[in-house]
Amino acid sequence: SQQGEEDPQALSIQEGENATMNCSYKTSINNLQWYRQNSGRGLVHLILIRSNEREKHSGRLRVTLDTSKKSSSLLITASRAADTASYFCATDRTGNQFYFGTGTSLTVIP
Amino acid sequence: DAGITQSPRHKVTETGTPVTLRCHQTENHRYMYWYRQDPGHGLRLIHYSYGVKDTDKGEVSDGYSVSRSKTEDFLLTLESATSSQTSVYFCAISGNTDTQYFGPGTRLTVL
Repeated sequence: SQQGEEDPQALSIQEGENATMNCSYKTSINNLQWYRQNSGRGLVHLILIRSNEREKHSGRLRVTLDTSKKSSSLLITASRAADTASYFCATDRTGNQFYFGTGTSLTVIP
Repeated sequence: DAGITQSPRHKVTETGTPVTLRCHQTENHRYMYWYRQDPGHGLRLIHYSYGVKDTDKGEVSDGYSVSRSKTEDFLLTLESATSSQTSVYFCAISGNTDTQYFGPGTRLTVL
């Protein structure tokens, strides 16, 4: 079974609004990552947060991690049409392997 | 984009035929991975490699084999393709930073 599960499955917002997506996982982790996938393309790494970190920022991205609740959230501020994509969380497991969730499909309407 | 390519990019084959997908990297990264992506399942790990000739199974390895004879190449073989193996296959590479870099994907259709 998959380790990470994103919520919601799909999200549609207007350009300029903030987008928040969540990831829940089942077992302890060393780190959690977020990836973006544009239609028909491979995944692109966005940000990594380690288990001893609670919040991390990168440009318009803000990631939080709550290890007690086994959950993470990705906030994209001031969204743009170019942010339209699917977003996946990935949690690590032993041997440099990673579990990916089923993703959140984000549509930003111009 | 990281130096990672996949070939072929698209392939249509018939049930029972062998198929080999190739992943090539120019980054000299230690770890290489094969995933499949299907609607409703996200990405699932098929096999991975942690060095030349060092490979291990992922969560959906049945029906697949891999080989890595040199650092830059990681081959995924479907010995006898089945319709359930119709999918998009992604190769990924990783150094020592936990970040994975993905190839463009191979769309495989098994008729």
